[in-house]
Amino acid sequence: AQSVTQLDSQVPVFEEAPVELRCNYSSSVSVYLFWYVQYPNQGLQLLLKYLSGSTLVKGINGFEAEFNKSQTSFHLRKPSVHISDTAEYFCAVSPPNTGNQFYFGTGTSLTVIP
Amino acid sequence: DTGVSQDPRHKITKRGQNVTFRCDPISEHNRLYWYRQTLGQGPEFLTYFQNEAQLEKSRLLSDRFSAERPKGSFSTLEIQRTEQGDSAMYLCASNWVQGVNTEAFFGQGTRLTVV
Repeated sequence: AQSVTQLDSQVPVFEEAPVELRCNYSSSVSVYLFWYVQYPNQGLQLLLKYLSGSTLVKGINGFEAEFNKSQTSFHLRKPSVHISDTAEYFCAVSPPNTGNQFYFGTGTSLTVIP
Repeated sequence: DTGVSQDPRHKITKRGQNVTFRCDPISEHNRLYWYRQTLGQGPEFLTYFQNEAQLEKSRLLSDRFSAERPKGSFSTLEIQRTEQGDSAMYLCASNWVQGVNTEAFFGQGTRLTVV
């Protein structure tokens, strides 16, 4: 079985400060890892994904994440946040050959303070 | 390409009524997924189709839930005899998959309120 834990439900951060949103997963098999962002009243938009290869993955809007297999983590980072980054962020895993069944965490609400 | 489209965006219904939601995926995508998202939670997988075949439906929440994709293009999700606990955002996603998982493109969702 797969599960995703996002340790922080809410993260307030000042504009231009760095931020890290934490994600840990548990799985009995190798998984693909994703971060999605959801703006109010919108669907989910992919930020970045890890399928294989380099463990440091760069995504859109200046976000990046690092896959750490030993710690089963996939934390999302941005060195300097903007007001427009205020949104809900979801970490998700998808085991290969499951028809793209995504297992999502409960989300982290990022609020950027001017 | 206008992305994944869902209709309606909002639906308010009385308890006990049936509702049907529609999803139009990105046109060349062979896979279509339905998720449910309740307040404060991440999306929860319900079912998915490859073309017109429904390959997984054991995660549908109850036998009141059913989904179809008759021609391998648009899909409908029906909830019969709605209950207040069915109030949620219902998300549709699609992608093209040949062996390797790829990102899923999500629609904006249908927000259901059962009163």
